[in-house]
Amino acid sequence: EPEVTQTPSHQVTQMGQEVILRCVPISNHLYFYWYRQILGQKVEFLVSFYNNEISEKSEIFDDQFSVERPDGSNFTLKIRSTKLEDSAMYFCASSEALAVYEQYFGPGTRLTVT
Amino acid sequence: RKEVEQDPGPFNVPEGATVAFNCTYSNSASQSFFWYRQDCRKEPKLLMSVYSSGNEDGRFTAQLNRASQYISLLIRDSKLSDSATYLCVVREGSGTYKYIFGTGTRLKVLA
Repeated sequence: EPEVTQTPSHQVTQMGQEVILRCVPISNHLYFYWYRQILGQKVEFLVSFYNNEISEKSEIFDDQFSVERPDGSNFTLKIRSTKLEDSAMYFCASSEALAVYEQYFGPGTRLTVT
Repeated sequence: RKEVEQDPGPFNVPEGATVAFNCTYSNSASQSFFWYRQDCRKEPKLLMSVYSSGNEDGRFTAQLNRASQYISLLIRDSKLSDSATYLCVVREGSGTYKYIFGTGTRLKVLA
């Protein structure tokens, strides 16, 4: 069964450093998403991406965040200057074309900012 | 009012019991509705989409009430493996790709 993959599974970084989280969505999916989940809290929408541009973003997704699809398979989330409060699990998800909105999630990257 | 609201639980039920969860949403323009389950420190996994006519998948039944803006999930004959957090997810409006998650309802099925 096709699945979304994410690397690394755990990333530890120091405050102020840049991190790039990587995702490989399901191959025939066209819509891509990033979410975060702070420990013990709900899953929060960050951004959706379609046709090589951001479709929507939340208030959390400020100028410190950016997304990119650098090639035909990878989808990345960059945090330019990490803060302690960026510590969370980051999930990538993808969904098929317009008629199908069900999202499939990757296993997540646990980001720890020290 | 929270966008998507769920009773956090926990719901502790014996094996074989029937349990129901509700979820309310605030945006009347919301278009699509889903139930996901999330095991501890794992990714959300799609359980089922929720259709206007209601739908069933084995022991799971989902209902949507647009007038009252709530979604329900019924689990019959609970198994130990059903223990998880159940997340209600709503896609806002048409032409939008923003999905709002509820905080989840924890279910513990006891032997």
